[in-house]
Amino acid sequence: QKEVEQNSGPLSVPEGAIASLNCTYSDRGSQSFFWYRQYSGKSPELIMFIYSNGDKEDGRFTAQLNKASQYVSLLIRDSQPSDSATYLCAVEGGTSYGKLTFGQGTILTVHP
Amino acid sequence: GAGVSQSPRYKVAKRGQDVALRCDPISGHVSLFWYQQALGQGPEFLTYFQNEAQLDKSGLPSDRFFAERPEGSVSTLKIQRTQQEDSAVYLCASSPLHRGQGGYTFGSGTRLTVV
Repeated sequence: QKEVEQNSGPLSVPEGAIASLNCTYSDRGSQSFFWYRQYSGKSPELIMFIYSNGDKEDGRFTAQLNKASQYVSLLIRDSQPSDSATYLCAVEGGTSYGKLTFGQGTILTVHP
Repeated sequence: GAGVSQSPRYKVAKRGQDVALRCDPISGHVSLFWYQQALGQGPEFLTYFQNEAQLDKSGLPSDRFFAERPEGSVSTLKIQRTQQEDSAVYLCASSPLHRGQGGYTFGSGTRLTVV
């Protein structure tokens, strides 16, 4: 079992819809959770991080964390074509202390 | 500088050749990380420095891979006797914190192609 798993995708949503990206992790000692966006041929850029159970909102993005279920999600409201990218989930803490462990990424396409 | 700078941007190496990849982190950033990203995959951890100390090198795939950060700023990732399976994008990242807890900023990467 991989330490961090993401829904395989690719995920395709129409412009204006809500995109939902999911991630599960295996290490209960994980403490910090991150979502990165990576455009094709570019490096990952941090868009959200969350440490506590519940929701964290930043503009059109909402990160949700459920430590009991070992589940992290990212919701993108009012999706735009410019949101089309690969979204990477990452965790830190536990066996990943001091470093981030990434999932394989989910490709999101927002079509006009 | 304003961001994490990596060079070269692209490198083509013949199988068996040694290569050196450079990372210049954001000024003052304590932690520096190297990752390897294969096509269609997420970044895989290679090694981590806190200042000049290499605290974790558990991700280095073989003893052909070596990293250093002698003065706690610029870092070099060296790959000896390159193999085709070494072809990937090598990403460097830095963080102002003593661990990756706050997330980190990536450089643009070096795309290594071994032919």
